[in-house]
Amino acid sequence: ETGVTQTPRHLVMGMTNKKSLKCEQHLGHNAMYWYKQSAKKPLELMFVYSLEERVENNSVPSRFSPECPNSSHLFLHLHTLQPEDSALYLCASSPRQAGGHDTQYFGPGTRLTVL
Amino acid sequence: AQSVSQHNHHVILSEAASLELGCNYSYGGTVNLFWYVQYPGQHLQLLLKYFSGDPLVKGIKGFEAEFIKSKFSFNLRKPSVQWSDTAEYFCAVNAPAAGSNDYKLSFGAGTTVTVRA
Repeated sequence: ETGVTQTPRHLVMGMTNKKSLKCEQHLGHNAMYWYKQSAKKPLELMFVYSLEERVENNSVPSRFSPECPNSSHLFLHLHTLQPEDSALYLCASSPRQAGGHDTQYFGPGTRLTVL
Repeated sequence: AQSVSQHNHHVILSEAASLELGCNYSYGGTVNLFWYVQYPGQHLQLLLKYFSGDPLVKGIKGFEAEFIKSKFSFNLRKPSVQWSDTAEYFCAVNAPAAGSNDYKLSFGAGTTVTVRA
């Protein structure tokens, strides 16, 4: 399935680097999401955008900065990360249907390693 | 805030064995329920979902799940597994966030299933 794509698939960066993760959805959805997936832990929701407006920010450190220029693209800008930020970062999109009848579709993720 | 519990962290079984993965959630109101699967090196894929109606839901690849409201459970089952079912399985619950009408999708920690040939 190529409905949600993410680049790069793997990223190694130093703590002083600045990098960006990119997500693109080809499903015509209205909402996009960033999640952090760490081993043996539930997926952690980081940011939600609905119709390009940020609707949720789950107390994420400011070293993570999202950007949603349009409903098909989502970026996560990374700056001065810590080694504990190493994880798989997942992007998802959904139609944003009301009443909870909303299904999220996920991209393959970016495996981030912070040295 | 709602929580989602998956009781088994790692399940190992042989081909043709039956599989059942437990999922319980804490929210007492109306919920929408999902099971996702993540095969090695691949992205999270939707296996099945329950919004309303028949509490026994059939999904892809021979999987099914049963919603038991009184037990706050949504267990996943497959009568006969194959080696290709080796993957990580995630239960997720979409429910209103505390003090809000906005729904939030909460995930369990996942269960790793290893099927031995």
